[in-house]
Amino acid sequence: ILNVEQSPQSLHVQEGDSTNFTCSFPSSNFYALHWYRWETAKSPEALFVMTLNGDEKKKGRISATLNTKEGYSYLYIKGSQPEDSATYLCASIGYNNNDMRFGAGTRLTVKP
Amino acid sequence: DVKVTQSSRYLVKRTGEKVFLECVQDMDHENMFWYRQDPGLGLRLIYFSYDVKMKEKGDIPEGYSVSREKKERFSLILESASTNQTSMYLCASSFRGYYEQYFGPGTRLTVT
Repeated sequence: ILNVEQSPQSLHVQEGDSTNFTCSFPSSNFYALHWYRWETAKSPEALFVMTLNGDEKKKGRISATLNTKEGYSYLYIKGSQPEDSATYLCASIGYNNNDMRFGAGTRLTVKP
Repeated sequence: DVKVTQSSRYLVKRTGEKVFLECVQDMDHENMFWYRQDPGLGLRLIYFSYDVKMKEKGDIPEGYSVSREKKERFSLILESASTNQTSMYLCASSFRGYYEQYFGPGTRLTVT
């Protein structure tokens, strides 16, 4: 079973810094990629669902890109704020729903 | 807003007990999922269901079973709880296919 890998495992930035992290996934049998944001003591919430190679999605200061041929996605946060502190998870979904893999997440801490 | 609820936030059970974890969603979603989350391992899929009475094994189904008698309810059953099943259990639902998942608040299960 090929894994979904996220890097870095954790990240500490100052308020106002821009940052990005990576999700690598198996490119074979790819169907969709999800990004979730998981704040402490809350449930994971979906940020983006991406399916097409070259897809770019944006929500406020957060954006994501997708390269299905080489099997990676980047998540970018522009001008990080303390409220962006959370664990960011990506999940790769294959054509069968049971072919779903989550990465271990990138834990972002934004210091005021 | 989609709401996914889980029957308990915290649960303590003894080794060998039968444990039921209940999940209910209120948005008529077709898909429902059970995950466990352990430090450093991300979310791992135990079982999912794409329709009433239908179920598919995920990555780690051993020691678990599931039941979906009604569309809105998906139960995870630990037939004979063991200490290695101490974990955070998260339920999720999605409309269908590769749509984003909506997560419940999680149940932290401790087996002593």
